[in-house]
Amino acid sequence: SQKIEQNSEALNIQEGKTATLTCNYTNYSPAYLQWYRQDPGRGPVFLLLIRENEKEKRKERLKVTFDTTLKQSLFHITASQPADSATYLCALNSDSWGKFQFGAGTQVVVTP
Amino acid sequence: KAGVTQTPRYLIKTRGQQVTLSCSPISGHRSVSWYQQTPGQGLQFLFEYFSETQRNKGNFPGRFSGRQFSNSRSEMNVSTLELGDSALYLCASSLEGGPLETQYFGPGTRLLVL
Repeated sequence: SQKIEQNSEALNIQEGKTATLTCNYTNYSPAYLQWYRQDPGRGPVFLLLIRENEKEKRKERLKVTFDTTLKQSLFHITASQPADSATYLCALNSDSWGKFQFGAGTQVVVTP
Repeated sequence: KAGVTQTPRYLIKTRGQQVTLSCSPISGHRSVSWYQQTPGQGLQFLFEYFSETQRNKGNFPGRFSGRQFSNSRSEMNVSTLELGDSALYLCASSLEGGPLETQYFGPGTRLLVL
């Protein structure tokens, strides 16, 4: 069955460092991969989308890579700030309309 | 533009009861998706509606159902509630549900089943 795995352990990181999160998938051929941020008590908020034929995408301090051979996406937050503390979710879509599959998310805690 | 709204925000029910949750998408959005979020399972896809038709469905029992109205507002119904149905229920809207589109999530309805 299709499976999406994100590190369930919280990532504790010092302010200014780079946080790197992983999203691994099996039995899946996603054409698109999205990353979302979720704060406690709120719905997820879209951050970035990357296509299967793109290796890397950047937006401000965020960078996403997509390796279809390794079946993995990496999400980087550079120069992390306490305001970046949240749970980050990856979502995959195999080019079907209306159906996204989410990972369980990884919590990031940035300490001053 | 107003965001996605969900009502009610909190709900307490007992086992065996049924519940209806409501979602109003962003104006102009025709696709509405529903998700169940629990600490153990993460965000699980329930179903997606587009133009009043269920277009996609996740792996949930038939106790979970939904509908969409002509104004794109959507409702989700859970019958014969079980303790395991306690979760945060999120809806998300997008223009047409395309894989390149951004999904905009509401704040969710937190359901507690006692």
